[in-house]
Amino acid sequence: DAKTTQPTSMDCAEGRAANLPCNHSTISGNEYVYWYRQIHSQGPQYIIHGLKNNETNEMASLIITEDRKSSTLILPHATLRDTAVYYCIVRVASSYNTNAGKSTFGDGTTLTVKP
Amino acid sequence: DAGVIQSPRHEVTEMGQEVTLRCKPISGHDYLFWYRQTMMRGLELLIYFNNNVPIDDSGMPEDRFSAKMPNASFSTLKIQPSEPRDSAVYFCASRAYNEQFFGPGTRLTVL
Repeated sequence: DAKTTQPTSMDCAEGRAANLPCNHSTISGNEYVYWYRQIHSQGPQYIIHGLKNNETNEMASLIITEDRKSSTLILPHATLRDTAVYYCIVRVASSYNTNAGKSTFGDGTTLTVKP
Repeated sequence: DAGVIQSPRHEVTEMGQEVTLRCKPISGHDYLFWYRQTMMRGLELLIYFNNNVPIDDSGMPEDRFSAKMPNASFSTLKIQPSEPRDSAVYFCASRAYNEQFFGPGTRLTVL
């Protein structure tokens, strides 16, 4: 799996958009970008994923650069409950082959949403 | 669906004892993962299975750790003998395609 680089921590004001960057300059053509978050003491929770097109769901938006070497997770209206560690990982989708299943997590970004 | 189920949720044991952690994945998921999380080392992948077969156990710290998946609905992670440095939160996760679901974790304390 390609290595990812994320800032250690970020702050965001409640109600404002939180933009979390991730660098994955060694990403391969068949690797997807996935985002998870972990709220204190709970198991990580899936947020969103994408290959090369921008994606949006009820939780967040994912913007992937044209060269796919970086991406940004956007929480459009951050709330205090969004305070968590956010992980960006890249891996091949499971449907390609069995060995594509490996999911390793880095250190992530600790996002603190402040009132 | 109840999600990924792990038991016990908390385990306190003494050094040298055998510890068995249990996981029931979400029905229909063909991947199962065991992770360990500590403040020092973060979230580490220990081993993962595909269709009940271990695919990659390179993250298992040493021979004291072993994992099995006898069927699609059950997996165990065993530590024998346990040591204080094994104290951590152990997460099990399962996945079908893209979204990986994590269990609530087992907090292990080895005295």
